[in-house]
Amino acid sequence: SAVISQKPSRDICQRGTSLTIQCQVDSQVTMMFWYRQQPGQSLTLIATANQGSEATYESGFVIDKFPISRPNLTFSTLTVSNMSPEDSSIYLCSVDSGQGNTIYFGEGSWLTVV
Amino acid sequence: AQSVAQPEDQVNVAEGNPLTVKCTYSVSGNPYLFWYVQYPNRGLQFLQKYITGDNLVKGSYGFEAEFNKSQTSFHLKKPSALVSDSALYFCAVQGTGFQKLVFGTGTRLLVSP
Repeated sequence: SAVISQKPSRDICQRGTSLTIQCQVDSQVTMMFWYRQQPGQSLTLIATANQGSEATYESGFVIDKFPISRPNLTFSTLTVSNMSPEDSSIYLCSVDSGQGNTIYFGEGSWLTVV
Repeated sequence: AQSVAQPEDQVNVAEGNPLTVKCTYSVSGNPYLFWYVQYPNRGLQFLQKYITGDNLVKGSYGFEAEFNKSQTSFHLKKPSALVSDSALYFCAVQGTGFQKLVFGTGTRLLVSP
């Protein structure tokens, strides 16, 4: 299985500010995914990040609000821009291990916007 | 479009009793089905998956899942529940050729001593 590290693990942010979440994987992976889990809710895919191309965003998510970088096959960042309390969520990085379609998740970044 | 339904928000079971957490799905083509578990203040941990093969899939921590194509279900089971199994369980589906996972709403499992 892939080992996925996310930073920060938790943060309290002021509204109107932006925060960048980092995701580091211990092996090279083609597909990386960013999910959001709002309080008490299920997971929703924000975007898919492939190395060397623009991220693909799901309906309801836009690049200006959630810019993503994917500079190499082991690293990605998600920025949550101009935050509001509604952005308080867990943001999870996940990867396709390439081992029979199994997708693994990091521990998540728990953001609270005040 | 693919979708997953977990009809129970919460399942309560006594320790030592068998447990079942239900999941039904809708997808075009052959489904790839997954179970994940989320313990309090933690991320998602992979439990098991069904891609093809036997309908009864052995997973982690003594769990197994039963795939039923005619009923489009993938129920999670365990013969004897532990208090430490108490957590939030998510079923997810991935359609053939797609790599995006679509999650159910989750079922909270509460195992009482």
